[in-house]
This record gives sequence, C-alpha cells and structure tokens, in this order.
Amino acid sequence: GENVEQHPSTLSVQEGDSAVIKCTYSDSASNYFPWYKQELGKRPQLIIDIRSNVGEKKDQRIAVTLNKTAKHFSLHITETQPEDSAVYFCAASKGSGYSTLTFGKGTMLLVSP
Amino acid sequence: DAMVIQNPRYQVTQFGKPVTLSCSQTLNHNVMYWYQQKSSQAPKLLFHYYDKDFNNEADTPDNFQSRRPNTSFCFLDIRSPGLGDAAMYLCATSRGISGGASETQYFGPGTRLLVL
Repeated sequence: GENVEQHPSTLSVQEGDSAVIKCTYSDSASNYFPWYKQELGKRPQLIIDIRSNVGEKKDQRIAVTLNKTAKHFSLHITETQPEDSAVYFCAASKGSGYSTLTFGKGTMLLVSP
Repeated sequence: DAMVIQNPRYQVTQFGKPVTLSCSQTLNHNVMYWYQQKSSQAPKLLFHYYDKDFNNEADTPDNFQSRRPNTSFCFLDIRSPGLGDAAMYLCATSRGISGGASETQYFGPGTRLLVL
C-alpha cells in the first residue's frame, strides 16, 4: 500500500519567515495530494491540494509543488504569521471513483512573533 | 450551510460500556469515512462507505463497528471501549465520482471520547 513520509516533524520559524514542509510517497499511481491544517482540538481543514497533472499551485501565501518523477511534494508558506501555528498533514490518494487518504505523520509549525 | 456534523462533541463512557458516535452530512456526498486520531498522531482510517457499500480497514479492531442507514447519517459503535480507545473520532465525507479523480475529504468537528 501507499506510504507517505513527512518532514520535519517540528518546525519553528520567526514571523515573516518562510516555512517549507516536505512529503514523499511510494505509490506512483497516487494522483491527488491534499494538505490539511489542524489547530489544537479542532478538525483538519483543507488548505490546498494538487493533482498529478499540475506541477505547482498557489493560493495567496500558500503554495504546493509536486515532482511526480521523484514522488515528492512540498508545502510552502511565505510571510508566516502566528496564526499559521498548527499541525500540518500531507496526504496522498489515487482516483478510483472514490479513494482513501494516506496521511503523513504531521508537522507541528510554530511561528514566533 | 452545507456541512458535516458530529454529535456529541465530547463523550465520556465507562470501561466496557458500549458507546455510539454519530455523524450527519448535508453535503449529499456519496462517501463517508470514520477516523480515529490520538494525540500527536495523524488520523487513522477505521471504515468508509461508498453509498451503502462498507469497507473495513484491515487493522480496525473488531471492537469497532459502523452503520450507515441512509446517505446522510453514519454511526460508529464501540462495543466494549477500553482505555486505549480514548481518542478524537473524526467523520469525513467526499463526493465520490465514478471514474473521476480523487475527491476532497471534508471533516466534521470530531467527537472526543474519554474512557474512565
């Protein structure tokens, strides 16, 4: 089955700096890669996703890049703010009518003022 | 607003006392999922339904069962909760389009289960 590795497990940055979280996946058939943000005690919320026919996607301060050949994808957050502090999960799945997500283990991002 | 609703938000039960968690959705999505999430861990998939077709993950304990009586509702039954079952239980839905690309999952707020 699919295996998703996520690094780093914790990341501390100063407000205004950029943050990068990286994930690798094992199943070359995977074609959908969402990123979820989870604040303490709350539900995971989708912040951005990318499909395998696209190499990069941006939404304001957030971007995701995908390298299908290397089987890795990354989340980039620019101009970080304290409210970006949360746990971020990457995930991978493959389309087959419906599909299950394989999550990475998560990255705790702490943005210090 | 269309959404995924979970009740109760907090559930306290006694060791070995059956408990049922509920999930409802107004999104009219075909697929519903149940996840278990323990502290500092990723969500772990327990079950999922495509319409009424039930799929059980291989490592889901026998202690856990699920029911989906209709499109809108899904239940998670824990027959004899143990201390290790204390966790956040998340329900999620996705559209599920035949032949389509993978679908975004939308999570409910979760039910935090405490086992005494």
